[in-house]
Parts: sequence; structure tokens; C-alpha cells
Amino acid sequence: SYELTQPPSVSVSPGHTARITCSGDALPKKYAYWYQQKPGQAPVLVLFEDTKRPSGIPERFSGSSSGTMATLTISGAQVEDEADYYCYSTDSSGHHCVFGGGTKLTIL
Amino acid sequence: EVQLVESGGGLVQPGGSLRLSCAASGFTFSSSWMSWVRQAPGKGLEWVANINQDGSEQFYVDSLKGRFTISRDNVKNSLYLQMNSLRAEDTAVYYCARASRDLSGSYPSDWGQGTLVAVS
Repeated sequence: SYELTQPPSVSVSPGHTARITCSGDALPKKYAYWYQQKPGQAPVLVLFEDTKRPSGIPERFSGSSSGTMATLTISGAQVEDEADYYCYSTDSSGHHCVFGGGTKLTIL
Repeated sequence: EVQLVESGGGLVQPGGSLRLSCAASGFTFSSSWMSWVRQAPGKGLEWVANINQDGSEQFYVDSLKGRFTISRDNVKNSLYLQMNSLRAEDTAVYYCARASRDLSGSYPSDWGQGTLVAVS
């Protein structure tokens, strides 16, 4: 079955740039999506189609994708950005979906 | 405003069945793909199933195919997940989500608050 691989944890100081990667064999042909989840809350979509931000998502959230790796970048990370982040994509058929294992972002 | 409200979760014995429901409002339900996603306690998100607008196409994670069935009622603006032969490892919060579509496929764009299913 198709898998997306993320680092388990990333740490960054407030105001610095956090980068979270997601690797998957189908990413050269399929978009990556990113979700933020805070404890006890439902996930929230923060990026779609590799680079696009839904309305209401701060501009400090950006995305890129190259080859088999997609990257979520948080420029000038804030304390309130501390959360779990999940990438998501589909297999080559487009019908079977998968989440990455998640990355715990710590702002310290 | 999109609203998705799940119900039907609870405690069930191993081997039992449960039917989850999701009441949708604030968007044109009959025009939207829908998804179920689950999250075991302390674990990551797992995509469970998708269904197209009229219910004629369903897609499942391979590990669940045959035990779970996704369905919908466009008159009642409701999504369902029938879960059979439940196992301890099915214990999770189950989220209903509206799925947006693009060239890649579908992705959850709006989420409910989830309903807890405990198999014990």
C-alpha cells in the first residue's frame, strides 16, 4: 500500500522558520495537502494542491513540492503554531488516499 | 458555514456492529464527495473511505475493505459508516469530512468534531 513519510518531530524557536517534509513515490504526479491538528481538536486544512492556502490561513504558511518530496514551511513560527501536522495525498490511481504519520512541531 | 455533526459512536464488544451517522449542513451535500477518517488514541490520522456525490462509487483503505461500508442519503443530507466485525484496533475517533476534488483526486476540506468508537 502507498505510504507518505514524515519526520516524527521538528523543533524551532519562536520567530524562526520551520520546515516539515513529506516523501512519497506518487508526489511527482499528485498534489500534497497539509493539515494542522491541535490537541483535542479536529484537523484543519492549511495547504492544498502543494502551495495554496485556504482563506483564513496566515501567510506564514507556505508549501512547495519537488520530485518525491513536499515541504510545509512556516516562516516566523509562532507559539500558536505548535501542533501536529499531517501531509495527505493519493496513490497513482487517485482513488486511494493516505496520510503521512504526522510531525509534532514544537516551538521552544 | 459548513457543519458536520457525527453521531452513533459508543462502546461495542469485539465482533459487534455499529453505524455512524454524519449530518451535513451549510453546503450542497448532494454535490460533494464525502470521506470518513479515523484516529486511534494517541495515533495519527487514517483515511477510511470516500464516496462520490450520488453514492455510486466508494473507495476504501485496503485493510478495512469488506468490514466497513460507506453510504449516503442525499435527501436527508447524511453520510453513514456501517462497521461490522469490530476489533479492538478499530477503537478511534471517527471524523466525517467534506471532500473537495481536484486533478489529483479528493481531499478532506471541512471536518466534523468526530465521534468516539471504543471496542472492548
